[in-house]
Amino acid sequence: GAVVSQHPSWVICKSGTSVKIECRSLDFQATTMFWYRQFPKQSLMLMATSNEGSKATYEQGVEKDKFLINHASLTLSTLTVTSAHPEDSSFYICSASGGVSAGGEQYFGPGTRLTVT
Amino acid sequence: QKEVEQNSGPLSVPEGAIASLNCTYSDRGSQSFFWYRQYSGKSPELIMSIYSNGDKEDGRFTAQLNKASQYVSLLIRDSQPSDSATYLCAAGFQKLVFGTGTRLLVSP
Repeated sequence: GAVVSQHPSWVICKSGTSVKIECRSLDFQATTMFWYRQFPKQSLMLMATSNEGSKATYEQGVEKDKFLINHASLTLSTLTVTSAHPEDSSFYICSASGGVSAGGEQYFGPGTRLTVT
Repeated sequence: QKEVEQNSGPLSVPEGAIASLNCTYSDRGSQSFFWYRQYSGKSPELIMSIYSNGDKEDGRFTAQLNKASQYVSLLIRDSQPSDSATYLCAAGFQKLVFGTGTRLLVSP
């Protein structure tokens, strides 16, 4: 159980375009989803927390107008990187949690490797 | 600033030995503690969770929590080369704070 999928697994886009990444919890209802980014040889950096049906909470320094997050249902959250630039190239990983009643465990998707040219 | 600290390693152990990974956390309000394994180029995989003081065993893995000392550890018994990865410690309540990870190398 506790399977999270992410799509696409990798994407290459041109500078100035937008990219949407989907995160789905396949076998449980995710009351909360998290979006992280990870640069090579560095740890996870939390970008934002989203709860189903409400606005995402962004971490300090993360531009909410650039990284649009939608958590439309208990099994789907999307991250849209708008007007992407080469410095946005990174490994984006989502995680899903059934909430504190489920122990607060976060299950990670396989990640999306974004390259902006 | 809530922090989770880990030694970056690498921690090198021979196959069959016990690997001991440690972390400390700063937020006394943390209620949930997790160990994740991350292979190079892959996303983290949850391997252990622990919520109360003491030991929790699952197969070859044992997690230990000492809230008074704000200390969490992970023991891997009978280490295998396939255990070679970076191990991330995380602490929190709902939002987790992750350490930078300890790289474990298990040599055949």
